[in-house]
Amino acid sequence: SQKIEQNSEALNIQEGKTATLTCNYTNYSPAYLQWYRQDPGRGPVFLLLIRENEKEKRKERLKVTFDTTLKQSLFHITASQPADSATYLCALETGANNLFFGTGTRLTVIP
Amino acid sequence: DAGVIQSPRHEVTEMGQEVTLRCKPISGHDYLFWYRQTMMRGLELLIYFNNNVPIDDSGMPEDRFSAKMPNASFSTLKIQPSEPRDSAVYFCASSNAGGPETQYFGPGTRLLVL
Repeated sequence: SQKIEQNSEALNIQEGKTATLTCNYTNYSPAYLQWYRQDPGRGPVFLLLIRENEKEKRKERLKVTFDTTLKQSLFHITASQPADSATYLCALETGANNLFFGTGTRLTVIP
Repeated sequence: DAGVIQSPRHEVTEMGQEVTLRCKPISGHDYLFWYRQTMMRGLELLIYFNNNVPIDDSGMPEDRFSAKMPNASFSTLKIQPSEPRDSAVYFCASSNAGGPETQYFGPGTRLLVL
């Protein structure tokens, strides 16, 4: 079965720096991978999707990379702000609109 | 659109009682998902429906859990009888068919079984 490791259960970073979160998976490579943001007491919110044939995807201050050889995705937040503090989840498609979620990394941006 | 609606937002019950969680997906979405989130296990898929039909319920913990989707705008997740280990946040999500669509999550139901 698929397994996801989001290393660093918690990550603290100084405001203005680039935060880098890692998502490693085992077994098969998914056709696409997604990143979600979850704030306390709320449901996850979609941020970015990257397909297996894409190396990189950007959205404003966010950048996601996808390396199917390493079975790894990196999620970057540049010029981080305290408002970026949240838990970030990576999710792999398992087929037929089904997603398998990692346990998340809790990011804290320190002013 | 109001987004995915879940009720109740919080539920406190005693062990052995029946619990019913409700979800209204986004209008026009073909898929509906029920998840459970705990600190230990993260976000786990329990069951999902496509066009009101259950497709995969392999994540349902045991027979005490059941889910229904009588129409395109309503689904329930029922736990009977409830146990303390069922305490978690239960999320409902919906999505469109036809591609790698994202899932839109509701605010969740925080369940505490005493």
